[in-house]
Amino acid sequence: NAGVTQTPKFQVLKTGQSMTLQCAQDMNHEYMSWYRQDPGMGLRLIHYSVGAGITDQGEVPNGYNVSRSTTEDFPLRLLSAAPSQTSVYFCASRIRQGSGYTFGSGTRLTVV
Amino acid sequence: AQSVTQLDSQVPVFEEAPVELRCNYSSSVSVYLFWYVQYPNQGLQLLLKYLSGSTLVESINGFEAEFNKSQTSFHLRKPSVHISDTAEYFCAVSDSLASYGKLTFGQGTILTVHP
Repeated sequence: NAGVTQTPKFQVLKTGQSMTLQCAQDMNHEYMSWYRQDPGMGLRLIHYSVGAGITDQGEVPNGYNVSRSTTEDFPLRLLSAAPSQTSVYFCASRIRQGSGYTFGSGTRLTVV
Repeated sequence: AQSVTQLDSQVPVFEEAPVELRCNYSSSVSVYLFWYVQYPNQGLQLLLKYLSGSTLVESINGFEAEFNKSQTSFHLRKPSVHISDTAEYFCAVSDSLASYGKLTFGQGTILTVHP
């Protein structure tokens, strides 16, 4: 199925643990982004990429790392999980500036 | 820097009634504007967008939005809502001149359609 695939769908971490949220798209989109969604705050941009090998920070990058070794994959790494990182994470991709984003179904992360 | 304000956090409405979800933005540059919809436990889906040209844009399921540059608004309207329109709606803006054009979202409006 064409689209953006995120894994896992749910995850519980202990404070201090690390993990990687996976994101893959099969639409050959150059632009990919990670957002976190928190109640009453909309979506906030964590990191984004405009192509393989090119990444940059968004609005709330602290505590997260990304890499883009291929066009298809854009994993998000939590280095040392904190309760403040409890959120729903969305990966999204688009083909060009001005086109709409295609969003994945999200990863619900709880840090205890 | 850009910002988006959705003026209502929740909008309850009865089925077949009209609805308007309000969105105001702030930007010093030319913008693209978007409305996304999120159904429970799902990702966001693009509802409609304004890039240029006609200030009135429409979606395939009866929603429309009008870009008003003087009032920096992009309100979403539907003349008659259905139960299935119950969802959270997000207004978003991006810089039309930037090479990447980061998307900035509003806080969201929860539309609840009652029978």
